[in-house]
Amino acid sequence: EAGVAQSPRYKIIEKRQSVAFWCNPISGHATLYWYQQILGQGPKLLIQFQNNGVVDDSQLPKDRFSAERLKGVDSTLKIQPAKLEDSAVYLCASSLGIDSTDTQYFGPGTRLTVL
Amino acid sequence: AQSVAQPEDQVNVAEGNPLTVKCTYSVSGNPYLFWYVQYPNRGLQFLLKYITGDNLVKGSYGFEAEFNKSQTSFHLKKPSALVSDSALYFCAVRDDSNYQLIWGAGTKLIIKP
Repeated sequence: EAGVAQSPRYKIIEKRQSVAFWCNPISGHATLYWYQQILGQGPKLLIQFQNNGVVDDSQLPKDRFSAERLKGVDSTLKIQPAKLEDSAVYLCASSLGIDSTDTQYFGPGTRLTVL
Repeated sequence: AQSVAQPEDQVNVAEGNPLTVKCTYSVSGNPYLFWYVQYPNRGLQFLLKYITGDNLVKGSYGFEAEFNKSQTSFHLKKPSALVSDSALYFCAVRDDSNYQLIWGAGTKLIIKP
């Protein structure tokens, strides 16, 4: 079974530029998560989708971050414009069902550096 | 407030010795607890979870965790450490208010040959 795929793996941009990350979850997984992980910290949930609907985006900085999950499969996360404090690893995860106790499976992450 | 704590930033263990990575939690309802491991430049990998049932949960790579309700703990254990176990370990608990995971800050495990 293929795992969660993310691209790119690394991205370096200047502040005020825009950037987009892509995630392909495990086939058949209904729920998709985007997390931000700052060095030395645990992951912080940005947004959760169930199929193509948003379940929780309370911690997404909506003035600069946006995310979509078209057709309930792939997802993109965008930052526009980026700030220095956005430097982090962006993790995508998916789970089979909609139960919050379902195991989340993570992709390798995208390491973003904002200069 | 609901929370999870990993009191040790780093744990050092000699290869072949038993290891314990500590996790304590605070939730208002039934605790749902998870352990994940993160190797350098890789995403998090699921190790095990406690939902209900037996207090001793067995997981991947020979790891197990003991749920202790009275001490509100969920410590990760392995009887004999391998150098390849060196990684960052995260404990997480489900938040009763929004059903999201609350993550600990992580514990760096270093296994010395």
